[in-house]
Amino acid sequence: QKEVEQNSGPLSVPEGAIASLNCTYSDRGSQSFFWYRQYSGKSPELIMFIYSNGDKEDGRFTAQLNKASQYVSLLIRDSQPSDSATYLCAVKLEGRDYKLSFGAGTTVTVRA
Amino acid sequence: NAGVTQTPKFQVLKTGQSMTLQCAQDMNHNSMYWYRQDPGMGLRLIYYSASEGTTDKGEVPNGYNVSRLNKREFSLRLESAAPSQTSVYFCATQTSGSSYEQYFGPGTRLTVT
Repeated sequence: QKEVEQNSGPLSVPEGAIASLNCTYSDRGSQSFFWYRQYSGKSPELIMFIYSNGDKEDGRFTAQLNKASQYVSLLIRDSQPSDSATYLCAVKLEGRDYKLSFGAGTTVTVRA
Repeated sequence: NAGVTQTPKFQVLKTGQSMTLQCAQDMNHNSMYWYRQDPGMGLRLIYYSASEGTTDKGEVPNGYNVSRLNKREFSLRLESAAPSQTSVYFCATQTSGSSYEQYFGPGTRLTVT
């Protein structure tokens, strides 16, 4: 079992819709969770982090964490063509203070 | 405030040649990382440095060496490049304390022929 798993996509959504991305992780003791956005040919950019169960909102982005079910999700509301990118989920695994484990990423395409 | 910088941006090597990828940060972070990213493989950790003076292997260290020159700089060396090392290389830093956020440099695209 991979430490962090994401649906590879591609996920295609119409402009203005909600894009929903999911990520599951294997280590029940994980405490810190991150979402990165990566445009084609560019480096990953941190867009959200969440440490506590529940929802965290930042503009059009909402991260949702459910530790009991070991998943973290990212919602993109009012999706724009500029949201077209690959989204990477990253998890700090328990006992590995200096390392994050990354999922392979979900590619999102927003159709105008 | 440049954040994390990497040089060069692009490089083409012949098999067996050597080169050093440079990374520098002005974020005052203790921890620094080297990743490679290949299609379908995601980000894979090559080496990391938790603090100045220490380095440790990641998932895919074979064929690479690193030097943590000081708090700001962390270099990655390929002693004898192989086509399997064709990849995009990212340097990253991590915030100190308990937040664990990582910030990435712009990357180096390396092709080994």
